[in-house]
Amino acid sequence: NAGVTQTPKFRVLKTGQSMTLLCAQDMNHEYMYWYRQDPGMGLRLIHYSVGEGTTAKGEVPDGYNVSRLKKQNFLLGLESAAPSQTSVYFCASSYQVAGLSYNEQFFGPGTRLTVL
Amino acid sequence: DQQVKQNSPSLSVQEGRISILNCDYTNSMFDYFLWYKKYPAEGPTFLISISSIKDKNEDGRFTVFLNKSAKHLSLHIVPSQPGDSAVYFCAARPNAGNMLTFGGGTRLMVKP
Repeated sequence: NAGVTQTPKFRVLKTGQSMTLLCAQDMNHEYMYWYRQDPGMGLRLIHYSVGEGTTAKGEVPDGYNVSRLKKQNFLLGLESAAPSQTSVYFCASSYQVAGLSYNEQFFGPGTRLTVL
Repeated sequence: DQQVKQNSPSLSVQEGRISILNCDYTNSMFDYFLWYKKYPAEGPTFLISISSIKDKNEDGRFTVFLNKSAKHLSLHIVPSQPGDSAVYFCAARPNAGNMLTFGGGTRLMVKP
């Protein structure tokens, strides 16, 4: 049971290049999330998905696109990278939430992205 | 404007003493609060949580206190251990659902 895995671990891009970050989870979670972490800003939600084939915008979605074609995978795409997208990206997953309950989010190890 | 704030970027504590990490929030619609712990080069891991209907939740050495009138919560670690050295993030959930708003984090250093 690997939990949440992210590929790649590190990447350096030039401004304008594109790339896709892959997140995979083997816990059969319905919900998946993409965050970025910047110094002093904590983790900010980029996009999330509440099930296969669904996606929604989070707090900072501009410049990113996502897809959830399979339940276990959540892809984050940067079509034209900018230096402002230099950050550490974390993927997370959780079980479906019913009513007022809360389910713990499980995080991957992160991808460190530098855009020059 | 950050809705969840951790005003202390870092905290240094001697082993065996109490560590107190603080968190303030502005959104009165938050109804569930959590603390996550993060080691370098790893993702955050869930530590402890508290519902807005409670004012205290305890789990071993970790206790979270919630003061709704002051919109303030704190994490107490007693006794502190060197292995507790990490970055601690406070997070809050607005209403129902599973989306979280995170604070900026506090780096805790526990000295032997």
